Amino acid sequence: GDQVEQSPSALSLHEGTGSALRCNFTTTMRAVQWFRKNSRGSLINLFYLASGTKENGRLKSAFDSKERYSTLHIRDAQLEDSGTYFCAAENQGGSAKLIFGEGTKLTVSS
Amino acid sequence: NAGVIQTPRHKVTGKGQEATLWCEPISGHSAVFWYRQTIVQGLEFLTYFRNQAPIDDSGMPKERFSAQMPNQSHSTLKIQSTQPQDSAVYLCASSPNERLFFGHGTKLSVL
Repeated sequence: GDQVEQSPSALSLHEGTGSALRCNFTTTMRAVQWFRKNSRGSLINLFYLASGTKENGRLKSAFDSKERYSTLHIRDAQLEDSGTYFCAAENQGGSAKLIFGEGTKLTVSS
Repeated sequence: NAGVIQTPRHKVTGKGQEATLWCEPISGHSAVFWYRQTIVQGLEFLTYFRNQAPIDDSGMPKERFSAQMPNQSHSTLKIQSTQPQDSAVYLCASSPNERLFFGHGTKLSVL
């Protein structure tokens, strides 16, 4: 079936640094969403992309349907950015259901 | 805006009992989704409704699981004859268009 491969599974950053998370798709996806699971366990919607890039503060996401990947860049990481990040993609089949990646556990330290 | 409200936050049932999970979507959102999260399987789609109509239940186990949306203000997920492998966090989400907004989830523990 359709798969979403998310990497890395874990990431440690010092405050002020940055890095990127990536999701590869085994098939062409229609759109991607990125979420962060906060300390209370809630999934917070960060981005929805059907194509191109979007930026929100220190976060920037890109989605290339043809090349079958999406990225989430974090710059100037802060302690409160710590949490587990998930990508989730919709396939082209017409259903709005999302296929989730396995998540990236980000730890930001001072 | 209180967000998506799920009740209860935690539910403990004995094997073979029935469990009903409740979800109140964000007012005005036309779609409601149910997902399940476990350590082993991660986040799995179960089912979703649009304008109260069931659209895709391809993720629902064929037996014992059912979902309803009797009105636009709430949806329920019912699990009959619960089994230990049903233990998971059950997440409800609503959407006005494409973006999903999740509730806190209901942690179901089947003993």
